[in-house]
Amino acid sequence: GAGVSQSPRYKVAKRGQDVALRCDPISGHVSLFWYQQALGQGPEFLTYFQNEAQLDKSGLPSDRFFAERPEGSVSTLKIQRTQQEDSAVYLCASSSPTGNNSPLHFGNGTRLTVT
Amino acid sequence: AQTVTQSQPEMSVQEAETVTLSCTYDTSESDYYLFWYKQPPSRQMILVIRQEAYKQQNATENRFSVNFQKAAKSFSLKISDSQLGDAAMYFCAYRTPLRDDKIIFGKGTRLHILP
Repeated sequence: GAGVSQSPRYKVAKRGQDVALRCDPISGHVSLFWYQQALGQGPEFLTYFQNEAQLDKSGLPSDRFFAERPEGSVSTLKIQRTQQEDSAVYLCASSSPTGNNSPLHFGNGTRLTVT
Repeated sequence: AQTVTQSQPEMSVQEAETVTLSCTYDTSESDYYLFWYKQPPSRQMILVIRQEAYKQQNATENRFSVNFQKAAKSFSLKISDSQLGDAAMYFCAYRTPLRDDKIIFGKGTRLHILP
């Protein structure tokens, strides 16, 4: 497809379960970002990849959160032992090489509900 | 740390009228980019308009224009001839490609269009 694809679109997890959220960026996009968006709030930065290198993970809220992009394309955000406060929409975005004003192209997000 | 502030949580405008959404940011960088994104209920973040900090001329995209005041660190969005399809959350965002390249978002302004 032409856009950023995220799956699943909705995920319900029981507290304590592990979840994995997938992001397929636009082909050729070097940069990939993960954001967490709580209800009624703006997206909060989680982590950033340039190709397969994770250059910034300062926004990951705890060590239960882990992201990878092993081949520089598809990325997975994993949350271990989910807690209720993890409930949010997780947005993935990609952009072409840095150093210019290329905008981020966002996916539709994964809405995670932890019960 | 860079911050983006949107002081209007909600705004309403009559269809066909003009509305201005406010945004201020705090940074010590000289080279950066500013964006306005629109997020309808579908959750898809859509780029509305972008501005390079080194450009003095305000960006314009059809009915959307910005008032960029670099010294005041202000970046407001003006929507002319408002249409029902403009109803959405609007997020102001800031990016420093030469520093860490992550985009920082404000908390958003929900725009209602009154028929």
